[in-house]
Amino acid sequence: SQQGEEDPQALSIQEGENATMNCSYKTSINNLQWYRQNSGRGLVHLILIRSNEREKHSGRLRVTLDTSKKSSSLLITASRAADTASYFCATDASVGNNRLAFGKGNQVVVIP
Amino acid sequence: DARVTQTPRHKVTEMGQEVTMRCQPILGHNTVFWYRQTMMQGLELLAYFRNRAPLDDSGMPKDRFSAEMPDATLATLKIQPSEPRDSAVYFCASGLGPGELFFGEGSRLTVL
Repeated sequence: SQQGEEDPQALSIQEGENATMNCSYKTSINNLQWYRQNSGRGLVHLILIRSNEREKHSGRLRVTLDTSKKSSSLLITASRAADTASYFCATDASVGNNRLAFGKGNQVVVIP
Repeated sequence: DARVTQTPRHKVTEMGQEVTMRCQPILGHNTVFWYRQTMMQGLELLAYFRNRAPLDDSGMPKDRFSAEMPDATLATLKIQPSEPRDSAVYFCASGLGPGELFFGEGSRLTVL
């Protein structure tokens, strides 16, 4: 079964607002990653958080990881129109061959 | 600027025809993944190579799909015979061990 289920599926916000997305997974992991996909393009890596980390920042991105709840959140602060994209979480299960399993993605629309 | 290169970007073919998609991973990367993306199923892992050896192809329909890495600079995904349900965007991604993946721009396949 697919690891990583993002919630909410679609989000529409005004420029300048914050966007929060959540992801849940089922098994133990080595790390969890977030990717962005612009329409018609490939996925681009945003941030990786290891299983022993609880929070990580990169620019306007903040990722949290709660391994006890098997969940993660991605926060984009002060959103811009250019942040309009689909956002995916991906998990690297601790048992297995380090294959990355992706969730179905969150579509975020930032209205200028 | 190192990137994963996929060809063709677009392919329209008729049911029953053979389709071959090619991927040039980033030089020095030791893992290569093939994913298929559809609206209904999201991103599905088809095959995964490490150091050119196939590690996981459990997501791939074996009767019609095959994936190979004839050398470190080329990965191929072949469908024979193709069916309309194979219509999707096929992504290749490469990386170094368990970490960030770099995606190509995808091959959009339409089988009529």
